Amino acid sequence: KNQVEQSPQSLIILEGKNCTLQCNYTVSPFSNLRWYKQDTGRGPVSLTIMTFSENTKSNGRYTATLDADTKQSSLHITASQLSDSASYICVVRSPSNYQLIWGAGTKLIIKP
Amino acid sequence: SQTIHQWPATLVQPVGSPLSLECTVEGTSNPNLYWYRQAAGRGLQLLFYSVGIGQISSEVPQNLSASRPQDRQFILSSKKLLLSDSGFYLCAWSPGAYQETQYFGPGTRLLVL
Repeated sequence: KNQVEQSPQSLIILEGKNCTLQCNYTVSPFSNLRWYKQDTGRGPVSLTIMTFSENTKSNGRYTATLDADTKQSSLHITASQLSDSASYICVVRSPSNYQLIWGAGTKLIIKP
Repeated sequence: SQTIHQWPATLVQPVGSPLSLECTVEGTSNPNLYWYRQAAGRGLQLLFYSVGIGQISSEVPQNLSASRPQDRQFILSSKKLLLSDSGFYLCAWSPGAYQETQYFGPGTRLLVL
C-alpha cells in the first residue's frame, strides 16, 4: 500500500534554532516528492519538488533532501522565524495515476 | 496572475441538510481542478478531480458529488450531510494534465451538527 509517514507529529523550537522534519514513504513506482507548507486555516503552498534523480533542493532557509534508495526525505529549516510556524506536509507522486499521496504533516511551532 | 477563490470560508450546517461549496479560478484556461478534504491530524484526502468541463473523477465513495459547469468553476455538493462530513475542504488547481504543482484555495471549514 502506498503510504507517506512523517515524523515528528509536532515540534516546538525556539526562534533562531534549526530543525529537521522527516518523511518516509512506500510509494512505488515513484515520480517525485514535494514539501508543502500549510499555515493554519489556509491551503498548502509548495516549497520544493524533487525527482528521484535529485538528492537536495533548497528554497531560501528550507533545504529538502531525498534518498530514493531508502525512500526517505527530510526538510531542514535554518535559523527559524516565527512565520515558520505551520504544518509541513510531504507529498509523493506515483506516475501511474493523478493521485498524490499526502502525509499527515508535522506541526511546527516556533516560540520567541 | 492566477487566483483561486472558495466560498464560504466557514459553514455550520445541520445533519441532513444540503451542501454546496463553490470554487473558481481566474487567470488560466482549462485547469485541472481538485477537491480535497482534510480531517484534523490527517493528510489531505482527494475527493474529486476534473480535467475538463463535465469530466469528474471520484476517488472516494461517499455522499458527496462534484460538478464542473464551466471551465473554471468547480462545485462540491451533498444532498444530505452526515456528521462525518465535517472537515476542512480545499479546492486546488493545476495548469494541465502533466503539471503537478497544485495551487490551493483558502479552504472552507465545514461543521456538521
